[in-house]
Amino acid sequence: AQSVTQLDSHVSVSEGTPVLLRCNYSSSYSPSLFWYVQHPNKGLQLLLKYTSAATLVKGINGFEAEFKKSETSFHLTKPSAHMSDAAEYFCVVSAYSGGYQKVTFGIGTKLQVIP
Amino acid sequence: EAGVAQSPRYKIIEKRQSVAFWCNPISGHATLYWYQQILGQGPKLLIQFQNNGVVDDSQLPKDRFSAERLKGVDSTLKIQPAKLEDSAVYLCASSSDREGREQYFGPGTRLTVT
Repeated sequence: AQSVTQLDSHVSVSEGTPVLLRCNYSSSYSPSLFWYVQHPNKGLQLLLKYTSAATLVKGINGFEAEFKKSETSFHLTKPSAHMSDAAEYFCVVSAYSGGYQKVTFGIGTKLQVIP
Repeated sequence: EAGVAQSPRYKIIEKRQSVAFWCNPISGHATLYWYQQILGQGPKLLIQFQNNGVVDDSQLPKDRFSAERLKGVDSTLKIQPAKLEDSAVYLCASSSDREGREQYFGPGTRLTVT
């Protein structure tokens, strides 16, 4: 079985303060993990991915995430929020199972950035 | 490299009518996905193709939705007849067949059923 839990549906931060978006996963196989961002009325864009190499992954726009196998977590962080970071963020787990790549999306976390 | 193309971008139909969406994935990508994203929710996988075969259609409402991927390239998703609750954005994505590869998403088709 495979699942993703995004622990917060909404996160609100002030501009210039750190961002933490939490994601826990469950997978019977060695997973790949992704964070995607979706700005209002825009398509989904890949922020970063983990695929069994370095556990600390750096992505675009200053975001990074750390894969912690013992905690089954893949939390997304950014040291200083910018107004343009306001968007919805999706954590995704993917694992090769039964001959194909099975992909599961989290429900999303809406990030609000307060000026 | 060209991205994932989808058409139309917007569609308004009345309930009980039929509608079709088209997707052209990135060249060489073996895997193609159709998702339904209802306003305020995350994408829900409807169907996944690997080349021209279906590998997962467990969440596809087969009484009204159908999809095909001819020659393992383009794909169409059809709804017949449409219901009000089908109003959503329909996203197409593709990925290469190698393990751990990310999905590339198209811009989506926004469907409104009145």
